[in-house]
Amino acid sequence: ETGVTQTPRHLVMGMTNKKSLKCEQHLGHNAMYWYKQSAKKPLELMFVYSLEERVENNSVPSRFSPECPNSSHLFLHLHTLQPEDSALYLCASSYYGRSQEQYFGPGTRLTVT
Amino acid sequence: TQLLEQSPQFLSIQEGENLTVYCNSSSVFSSLQWYRQEPGEGPVLLVTVVTGGEVKKLKRLTFQFGDARKDSSLHITAAQPGDTGLYLCAGGRSSNTGKLIFGQGTTLQVKP
Repeated sequence: ETGVTQTPRHLVMGMTNKKSLKCEQHLGHNAMYWYKQSAKKPLELMFVYSLEERVENNSVPSRFSPECPNSSHLFLHLHTLQPEDSALYLCASSYYGRSQEQYFGPGTRLTVT
Repeated sequence: TQLLEQSPQFLSIQEGENLTVYCNSSSVFSSLQWYRQEPGEGPVLLVTVVTGGEVKKLKRLTFQFGDARKDSSLHITAAQPGDTGLYLCAGGRSSNTGKLIFGQGTTLQVKP
């Protein structure tokens, strides 16, 4: 595998379910990001991890819980989501502090029913 | 709030036509990236510009960073159906290392 991978690619979940999104980067980067992309809205930055430490949390509801066990893996744990949370969730990685270029995964299309 | 305004938001043209997409802000950026995103996929980085006035070319695509580093443009010559997609600009600031501000995107449709 090369680049940034995300699983699953599609997820349908009920409002009472608990699920997790997984992201893995194979680029040797030291920072990882979660974004939310909704129709007709700019990309919304949710979380930033640098060297496995969370450096930014953009007022994201607590029903979204990130986890970064090492510099190559990033998870987004989901519980008791709302229908308005349906969106494309994108993971990205970069060299934090050296470059502002971010490389994105293919995304997880999440539908909350 | 730092904003990047992209225009136009939607563009539908015939194959072979030229087009320009603009990305404007009142803020200065240390770098600006352009991405292209196809339906159901993540954005793919096309280019990064860092110097005011810089021009970069990628085949039929020409990218320019404004002299004051507040704006950028993407010009496509002789558009092809394969150019269809969502084009995103994103600005980075040296004080917010790692964080990018994204424009709302320009959806381009090139008809054969």
